[in-house]
Amino acid sequence: EPEVTQTPSHQVTQMGQEVILRCVPISNHLYFYWYRQILGQKVEFLVSFYNNEISEKSEIFDDQFSVERPDGSNFTLKIRSTKLEDSAMYFCASRPTAGGYSPLHFGNGTRLTVT
Amino acid sequence: TQLLEQSPQFLSIQEGENLTVYCNSSSVFSSLQWYRQEPGEGPVLLVTVVTGGEVKKLKRLTFQFGDARKDSSLHITAAQPGDTGLYLCAGDTSGTYKYIFGTGTRLKVLA
Repeated sequence: EPEVTQTPSHQVTQMGQEVILRCVPISNHLYFYWYRQILGQKVEFLVSFYNNEISEKSEIFDDQFSVERPDGSNFTLKIRSTKLEDSAMYFCASRPTAGGYSPLHFGNGTRLTVT
Repeated sequence: TQLLEQSPQFLSIQEGENLTVYCNSSSVFSSLQWYRQEPGEGPVLLVTVVTGGEVKKLKRLTFQFGDARKDSSLHITAAQPGDTGLYLCAGDTSGTYKYIFGTGTRLKVLA
């Protein structure tokens, strides 16, 4: 069964550095998402992306965050200047349509540790 | 702000017991899904419910969507240690691309 893949599985970075988290969504899916989960807390919506543009974003997704689909297969999340509070699991998800029977398919996440 | 509240937050039960997890909101959802998440992994879909009042069964798991499509429940019969995990409800509202998650219920089933 096709799956969403994320790399790297674990990223350690120093505060103030830029990081890029990478995702390869399922190939025929059209809607892409980034979520994050701080340890022990709920899964929080960051951003949704469709037709090469952001569809919706949360208040967490400020100017330090950006997303890109550079080549038709990868979907990246960039954090320009990381802060300690950016430490979390970041999950990429995709779905084929936006309809009710179209569930999110998640990758296994990237654990970002900011020191 | 849309919010999905789950209860209980934590649940520790003995193997063979039954349990129910609740997911409540003041918002109406066009669909609602239940996921299970194991440590170090992404959420894995269990079921999607779309119609108000809908009941779906997945082996020992029974899912119900409220008539008004604002709430849902997950009932597990004869829980097993393999059911241990974090259970998450998630929903989307019509006309948005946002998909929000509930606060989660952490279940531990003791052998």
